[in-house]
Amino acid sequence: NAGVTQTPKFQVLKTGQSMTLQCAQDMNHEYMSWYRQDPGMGLRLIHYSVGAGITDQGEVPNGYNVSRSTTEDFPLRLLSAAPSQTSVYFCASRRQGAGDEQFFGPGTRLTVL
Amino acid sequence: QQQVKQSPQSLIVQKGGIPIINCAYENTAFDYFPWYQQFPGKGPALLIAIRPDVSEKKEGRFTISFNKSAKQFSLHIMDSQPGDSATYFCAASSTGTASKLTFGTGTRLQVTL
Repeated sequence: NAGVTQTPKFQVLKTGQSMTLQCAQDMNHEYMSWYRQDPGMGLRLIHYSVGAGITDQGEVPNGYNVSRSTTEDFPLRLLSAAPSQTSVYFCASRRQGAGDEQFFGPGTRLTVL
Repeated sequence: QQQVKQSPQSLIVQKGGIPIINCAYENTAFDYFPWYQQFPGKGPALLIAIRPDVSEKKEGRFTISFNKSAKQFSLHIMDSQPGDSATYFCAASSTGTASKLTFGTGTRLQVTL
């Protein structure tokens, strides 16, 4: 199993550009989520999904969109990038139960100029 | 509002020492408390987790102590090694299908020779 995979690993954008961060998992997990990691702020939840076709907002959803058309994939879209979105983004997945281990991808480091 | 407060922000110990990282939570509905370990350039990985029906859990050199009445829990690393140098995050959630993990702000641990 590849686990949780993310692409790209690094990305530089200009203010106003849009892009999609890809996330895929091969563990048949129902629950998937996106976090951003910033120095001194820990991991903050952006959006999450409890299954295909179902998404919901987390703590910091503004400026991001998600969709979940399949169990395996959970892309994160930046509609109009801003310097405040410079961060490291992690995708994660787990089985449905909250007490189940959450597996993280390797992260995407995004810089917005 | 930060629901999980973690301290210290950084910690330096000598090899063989016992670093202790503390977390406090506010939401009494939380009943799952994991610790994640993150090495530079990698995604976080589950280290150890506890539920409030026990006051302590050990896995190898890692121990979680839990105080339900004080709403606090801590991670102790016995006989720490340079390979333990990483960032550690505590987290908390309630159980349930859509329950979300709330993370602390992280502790950067350095174990010196």
